[in-house]
Amino acid sequence: KNEVEQSPQNLTAQEGEFITINCSYSVGISALHWLQQHPGGGIVSLFMLSSGKKKHGRLIATINIQEKHSSLHITASHPRDSAVYICAVPGSQGNLIFGKGTKLSVKP
Amino acid sequence: EAGVTQFPSHSVIEKGQTVTLRCDPISGHDNLYWYRRVMGKEIKFLLHFVKESKQDESGMPNNRFLAERTGGTYSTLKVQPAELEDSGVYFCASSYVWGSLTDTQYFGPGTRLTVL
Repeated sequence: KNEVEQSPQNLTAQEGEFITINCSYSVGISALHWLQQHPGGGIVSLFMLSSGKKKHGRLIATINIQEKHSSLHITASHPRDSAVYICAVPGSQGNLIFGKGTKLSVKP
Repeated sequence: EAGVTQFPSHSVIEKGQTVTLRCDPISGHDNLYWYRRVMGKEIKFLLHFVKESKQDESGMPNNRFLAERTGGTYSTLKVQPAELEDSGVYFCASSYVWGSLTDTQYFGPGTRLTVL
């Protein structure tokens, strides 16, 4: 069974700072998901990536398949980026296995 | 196109009562997943439907939980009788391609269940 570890668990940043959230997994995968959950809200899929890097606005996700590691970066962070960011990998039946999430708080 | 919807958004019940959660996936999505997040812990997989069939229900905690997906459209998750430890947020997700481990799953807003 794949184990997914995220770090840090909690992160507080000042508006404008560059943010990095890390995710490691134990078993090789075909793709990795980054998800976002706002307080009281549902889950939004940010990225699904299997290699290299993807960029969407101020969000950048990278993955190193050999090292079993992925990072989510936020450039020029803003208070509206405050949310829980969750890394997930596919299980054996197509379901997802989730990390515990990183709670990000961006202060103005 | 409408996304994944869930009903209700929040349910507060007493221990021993029954609650039924509903999920409407994106039209045309054969895969439907139920997940649960208990406070302080990571989201955990409950079960997976492919159309109306249960593909994998290994994550269902016990026989107090019953999921159905009649006609391969919407799905219900019934908890009977509810216990305190069932409190959490129940998420539903759907995806299109069966058998693919890399297809994007689209999540619903979740149902927050509180058992008192």
